Amino acid sequence: QITLTQQAESLWVSPGEKVSITCRASQSLLYTDGKHYLSWYQQRPGQTTKALIYHASIRTDGVPTRFIGSGSGTEFTLSIEDVQPEDIALYYCLQTLKKPWTFGGGTKLELK
Amino acid sequence: EVQLVESGGGLVQPGRSLKLSCLASGFTFSNYGMNWIRQAPGKGLEWVASISSSSSYIYYADTVKGRFTISRDNAKNTLYLQMTSLRSEDTALYYCARFDDGYPDYWGQGVMVTVSS
Repeated sequence: QITLTQQAESLWVSPGEKVSITCRASQSLLYTDGKHYLSWYQQRPGQTTKALIYHASIRTDGVPTRFIGSGSGTEFTLSIEDVQPEDIALYYCLQTLKKPWTFGGGTKLELK
Repeated sequence: EVQLVESGGGLVQPGRSLKLSCLASGFTFSNYGMNWIRQAPGKGLEWVASISSSSSYIYYADTVKGRFTISRDNAKNTLYLQMTSLRSEDTALYYCARFDDGYPDYWGQGVMVTVSS
């Protein structure tokens, strides 16, 4: 199965800063259609899990432009520019290239 | 507005069975693949099972294969997860999630399943 590694379990940020969360896959997530099957999710207490980014770099509807997905092959990054207090949450990457789908271990974004 | 509402969770003894439901609204349920994803208390996310829009394709995680059955009733806009031979390690919050364009785009709030004697 494909392993996804999110190196940082926690990241501390101040409002207004930029932060990057990385996700490394054990094999390329590029499919023959030219798309990477890597998506990013946000979990905030009391709220439904929210999809932020799919195909590595496409924001889902309504996601603020400060959320930026990038990367290719096996290395992916979710960047949050100008971090807002409401961005304090858990973030997970997910690969849907091959079953079993696998998630990264999660990165908790915390306020300094 | 897409809504997914899970139900059927609770406390169950090891070895017993439980059936979860997920009622969908706000979209044409029969057009989408659906999934169950779970999260043990304080742990990360784990994909459990997937079913295609017409139930033609079904997949399971190895951890639940042979014990869990995913199904759907498109007339009732409902997704199911029949869980048998439950173990303590099945204790988790179970989410249903819609699948679109290669990823699970909408998730429910989740339903808690606790397996304990």
